[in-house]
Amino acid sequence: AQKITQTQPGMFVQEKEAVTLDCTYDTSDPSYGLFWYKQPSSGEMIFLIYQGSYDQQNATEGRYSLNFQKARKSANLVISASQLGDSAMYFCAMREDSGTYKYIFGTGTRLKVLA
Amino acid sequence: ETGVTQTPRHLVMGMTNKKSLKCEQHLGHNAMYWYKQSAKKPLELMFVYSLEERVENNSVPSRFSPECPNSSHLFLHLHTLQPEDSALYLCASSQGGEKLFFGSGTQLSVL
Repeated sequence: AQKITQTQPGMFVQEKEAVTLDCTYDTSDPSYGLFWYKQPSSGEMIFLIYQGSYDQQNATEGRYSLNFQKARKSANLVISASQLGDSAMYFCAMREDSGTYKYIFGTGTRLKVLA
Repeated sequence: ETGVTQTPRHLVMGMTNKKSLKCEQHLGHNAMYWYKQSAKKPLELMFVYSLEERVENNSVPSRFSPECPNSSHLFLHLHTLQPEDSALYLCASSQGGEKLFFGSGTQLSVL
C-alpha cells in the first residue's frame, strides 16, 4: 500500500541556516507525484514544491528545494536561509496516479526557527 | 486566498445535532476532496469527488454524508457525531492531478 513516512516530529533550526526535512515514500506505481505543504498555526495548507516521478532534475522554488532520490524512495525538503516565518508544520504528500488522483500525507514535521 | 472557501471556520455541536460544512472553489477544478486532520495523525482522506461523482469513500462512518451538487460546491453533512470526530476538516480541490488547493478548514468540536 502507498505510504508516506516523516520520521522527524519536530526540528529546530537557527535563523539564516539551512534545514532538511525528511520524507520517504512507498509505492509500486511507476508514475506518481510528490508534494510538500506548509501549515502555519492559522491552519491553511500552503503548497511549496512539487516533484514528478519522471522528472530528471530536483525541483526548486525559491528557498525550497526537493532532494529527490528515487532509488531510495526519498523526497527530502531543503529550506535554505531559514526565516522566523518558516516556523510551521510541514507535510510531505504523494499523489497516486492509478485511477482517481488521490493524495496521501505523512504525519508532518513541526519546524521551529530560532532567532 | 487560495480560491477555496470553507464555512464555518469553527463549529461546536452536540452529539445529537445535525450540521453541515460547506466548501466552494472558484478555480474551475474538476476534483474536490474532504480531509480530516486530527492531532499527531496524517491527514485522512475521507471523500473524493471527480466531475461531481463520488469516486472515493475511505470507509468513513455513515454519520458523515458528502454532497457535491456541482463542480464548485462540496458539502459535508454531519449527524449524531462522536467526540472522537472532533478535528480540523479540510476541503481541497485540484485539476488533473496538479497540486491541491486547500481551504482554511473548519475546526469542529463535538461535545
